[in-house]
Amino acid sequence: EVQLLESGGGLVQPGGSLRLSCAASGFTFSSSAMSWVRQAPEKGLEWVSLISDNGHSTYYADSVKGRFIISRDNSKNTQYLQMNSLRAEDTAIYYCVKGGIYCIYGDCYPQPMDYWGQGTLVTVSS
Amino acid sequence: QSVLTQPPSASGTPGQRVTISCSGSGSNIGSKTVNWYQQFPGTAPKLLIYHNNQRPSGVPDRFSGSKSGTSASLAISGLQSEDESDYYCVAWDDSLNGWVFGGGTKLTVL
Repeated sequence: EVQLLESGGGLVQPGGSLRLSCAASGFTFSSSAMSWVRQAPEKGLEWVSLISDNGHSTYYADSVKGRFIISRDNSKNTQYLQMNSLRAEDTAIYYCVKGGIYCIYGDCYPQPMDYWGQGTLVTVSS
Repeated sequence: QSVLTQPPSASGTPGQRVTISCSGSGSNIGSKTVNWYQQFPGTAPKLLIYHNNQRPSGVPDRFSGSKSGTSASLAISGLQSEDESDYYCVAWDDSLNGWVFGGGTKLTVL
């Protein structure tokens, strides 16, 4: 059974930093791209970032580019989202999601994001 | 403002067939496949349809997806009360080099 467990959320002041973690199990983590998707209170889903299976390719939404960094440690079956220069509009539930892209021989292709964690709440407020 | 456009709400009575539309452009739906998610309040989204019209294991065949040009649709036949949920479309956008979601549609079963 695929399990994705997010941690690291909480209350942070504007301009502050936070690092989210996602521990994965139930599938071959090192063979799967991973993504982050967020949902602001009472709002829709917004894709944030994704990383290829080997970590060589990363993608970001324009809204977080230059402030957030996605990474992974395949030896620990864990992905991370380092969030810097946080703003009030970053307040959301952040979901860890399996999938998003498939890369082979240097070319990458979109792949459905199939399994989602339960999310961790990030609140940016003074 | 979402890149993909969905109606904010839809409704139907039990047993009825309802459709939810998702409109995009050539850089997303027009050139890439569409996926659909179902989300109940307070829970994580669940993949409902992928690659335009494929159902993951366990998804009832009452749910179906289609795509034509720069638009896609989710159809739910034999509507049931437990289908009352939020539905989101998503596609890869080549111009933005990332995934773009629709704003979501809240389905009410009357």
